[in-house]
Amino acid sequence: DSGVTQTPKHLITATGQRVTLRCSPRSGDLSVYWYQQSLDQGLQFLIQYYNGEERAKGNILERFSAQQFPDLHSELNLSSLELGDSALYFCASSVGQRGGRETQYFGPGTRLLVL
Amino acid sequence: AQTVTQSQPEMSVQEAETVTLSCTYDTSESDYYLFWYKQPPSRQMILVIRQEAYKQQNATENRFSVNFQKAAKSFSLKISDSQLGDAAMYFCALIQGAQKLVFGQGTRLTINP
Repeated sequence: DSGVTQTPKHLITATGQRVTLRCSPRSGDLSVYWYQQSLDQGLQFLIQYYNGEERAKGNILERFSAQQFPDLHSELNLSSLELGDSALYFCASSVGQRGGRETQYFGPGTRLLVL
Repeated sequence: AQTVTQSQPEMSVQEAETVTLSCTYDTSESDYYLFWYKQPPSRQMILVIRQEAYKQQNATENRFSVNFQKAAKSFSLKISDSQLGDAAMYFCALIQGAQKLVFGQGTRLTINP
């Protein structure tokens, strides 16, 4: 158990809908990262937050947004869902923002299926 | 741009034997970090081992060790005394400067009893 929690574990929804994925980082970790794992794109970085502020952005679609709250939990919002958004979404956390000097610990993921 | 390449989509090894998974990468920076993550059927991403590029000594964690060849931009993972619980997808990953991990496509490792 990495100490990172993600809810829900599974999510099934329809095209055009909006969903929210939730992540709680390890105790004491200030950085949260979101990754998407799909069959065709592999594992891709989406976005990073540090202590409530956006720090880095990857290949995140405009239909997707995220935020980190004062209690440090984070939410990833996916809207106008398409079939291709079906994937495993991981949240990871680390202590600070020192890049590779820190280990990123991954949550169990949320499996999203868009029908 | 950073890239990570794993040229072996699948590997298999007999239980108790040794297997090496390959990884090559490309980066323009001199300060970077390399990782191997394991993803078992549960889908959890588990850190196996990490290597700082500025360190010449190869990292070791119990039965897991790496062969880091900086000039060749190669970072292979050696698993000794393979166990059934080692069966998983293994991902090589790189961080340079920015916070994001860049992953390879993964190698599926099967352990034959």
